[in-house]
Amino acid sequence: DGGITQSPKYLFRKEGQNVTLSCEQNLNHDAMYWYRQDPGQGLRLIYYSQIVNDFQKGDIAEGYSVSREKKESFPLTVTSAQKNPTAFYLCASRGQQETQYFGPGTRLLVL
Amino acid sequence: EDQVTQSPEALRLQEGESSSLNCSYTVSGLRGLFWYRQDPGKGPEFLFTLYSAGEEKEKERLKATLTKKESFLHITAPKPEDSATYLCAVRVNNNDMRFGAGTRLTVKP
Repeated sequence: DGGITQSPKYLFRKEGQNVTLSCEQNLNHDAMYWYRQDPGQGLRLIYYSQIVNDFQKGDIAEGYSVSREKKESFPLTVTSAQKNPTAFYLCASRGQQETQYFGPGTRLLVL
Repeated sequence: EDQVTQSPEALRLQEGESSSLNCSYTVSGLRGLFWYRQDPGKGPEFLFTLYSAGEEKEKERLKATLTKKESFLHITAPKPEDSATYLCAVRVNNNDMRFGAGTRLTVKP
């Protein structure tokens, strides 16, 4: 059963702490994306990767970092430099006809 | 600047009361317009892709249409299970995807 998985579903971050959100896909897609969703706003692009070992900053990359060591995996680290990290984080991969398919999301909360 | 605006922000319908959601866009070079459905606390679920003005796509009670400046998502005889937030997104020349803020639809029995 192909799809995108994200973990954990909920994540709590303490001040000054780095946390990592997991995203895995078994759709054999090359391109993967991380978005942030805040109430009343459209999804905003944090980082994207078109291919393994390559990634590009999106519109709101400050305070975040990513890696793409495997085709299936695109983890996102929220660093202590991100001062307002509370949001719903969505991972996506791009398939045929440029359609992006999304994972179930991770909600990040600050303690 | 590329922009996507969805209206209304929220829409409440009675079961069976048909209506339309609007997505207007100003982009430098449209390479596809996408509609998604998002349930609370979940990731968006892909519905349709439209590429050129005049194109239409249908799925059950939903029909999406596209003009040069906007897209409509028509909902015919909605049911309570159609309640969700509907997101519109456009792909532009540099492969960026721009999302609207969504329309939150509530269908009451």
